[in-house]
This record gives sequence, C-alpha cells and structure tokens, in this order.
Amino acid sequence: KQEVTQIPAALSVPEGENLVLNCSFTDSAIYNLQWFRQDPGKGLTSLLLIQSSQREQTSGRLNASLDKSSGRSTLYIAASQPGDSATYLCAVVLFGNEKLTFGTGTRLTIIP
Amino acid sequence: DTAVSQTPKYLVTQMGNDKSIKCEQNLGHDTMYWYKQDSKKFLKIMFSYNNKELIINETVPNRFSPKSPDKAHLNLHINSLELGDSAVYFCASSQAFWGQRTQETQYFGPGTRLLVL
Repeated sequence: KQEVTQIPAALSVPEGENLVLNCSFTDSAIYNLQWFRQDPGKGLTSLLLIQSSQREQTSGRLNASLDKSSGRSTLYIAASQPGDSATYLCAVVLFGNEKLTFGTGTRLTIIP
Repeated sequence: DTAVSQTPKYLVTQMGNDKSIKCEQNLGHDTMYWYKQDSKKFLKIMFSYNNKELIINETVPNRFSPKSPDKAHLNLHINSLELGDSAVYFCASSQAFWGQRTQETQYFGPGTRLLVL
C-alpha cells in the first residue's frame, strides 16, 4: 500500500527566503507525482506534474524534483512571497492504478 | 470560465437525510473523480469514472452512489447521511486515465462542504 508523507506539517518563513518542501512515498513504482496547493476554504490547484521518467519540472519560482529510487520529491520555492501562503500537497499515481494518493500536506506561512 | 464546478458549495443537513452533490467540467475531459477531505485535511479518492464507466470504487459505504449521465457530469448521491459523512467533497477531472497511458494533471473543483447535524 502506497503511503505518502510530508514533513513538516507546518512551516513559517520570512518573506524573500527560499524554501524546500519535502514529500516521501513508500512505493517507488510510480507513474507520476503532482504538487498541489490548497488555499483556505478553496479547492486544489495543480502546480507541477513530474512523470516517472523525469527528474524535475520548473514553473516560474517553483521547481519540483523527483528521486524515485529514494522515494522522495521536493518542491523548491524561490524568493517566497506572502501570496505563497497555503497548504501544499503532493500526490502520486502508481503504475496500474489510476488513483492519486495524497500526502498529509505542509501548511506554509510566509511572514511579511 | 469555471473548469470544474460543484453545487452546492455548502450543504448543512440532518442525519438520515438523502442529499446529492453535482459536478460538471467543461474541459472536455474523459475522466472524473470524487475525493473526500476529512477534518484532518487528508484527501482520499472515492470514485473515478472514465467515459461514464466506473473504473475506481474505493472502500466506500454503499450509501454513496455516483452517477455519470454523460462525460461532463459526475454526481454523488448520499443516502441516510451520518455524522461521519461531514467533510469536504472534491470533484476532479483529467484528460485520460492510466489505462490509456496518457495520465495528465487532475483539475479540481472548489469543493462542497457538507455538515451533517
């Protein structure tokens, strides 16, 4: 059974700093991995999707990496802004299994 | 333009009632999903439909019955609501599912906040 863990559960950093969010998964036979953000009381917004054959994806100030062999992914946010405050969730899809298995999320607060 | 929409946004009801949540996507996607987010914010898939065919059915009480009248709609009907059903229910869609080897990003609706009293 795939388990997805995100540590820490909450993180506060001053505005302007670079930061890294971590995601680990127990079954490395993944098809892809996605990072989402969820704003309070809102739905999920997809940020980045990394296929199993890829090692990283970039979008603006965001960079996601994938290391299947170690069962880890990181989301790097450069030059953080107060608008980055949200809960960040990673989710994986296993080969032969359509469903997304979500992590527990990291609640990020950027301090102005 | 709303890509994935859900109605209602909020739903407060008494135990034992039957209620439905509707979902529509205008992205032309073939696959739609229902997820439940519990009080601890943990998201878990409930159902998935591809071209109106059920492809994922997790261990969910049979009081929950999804219905897909067409590719663009996936509704969730809940019978005999219980206190533990209180949660946020998210609908999502994607272009295709794994079986077609073109797994793509899932797009989520805004959620329906269900409170059972």
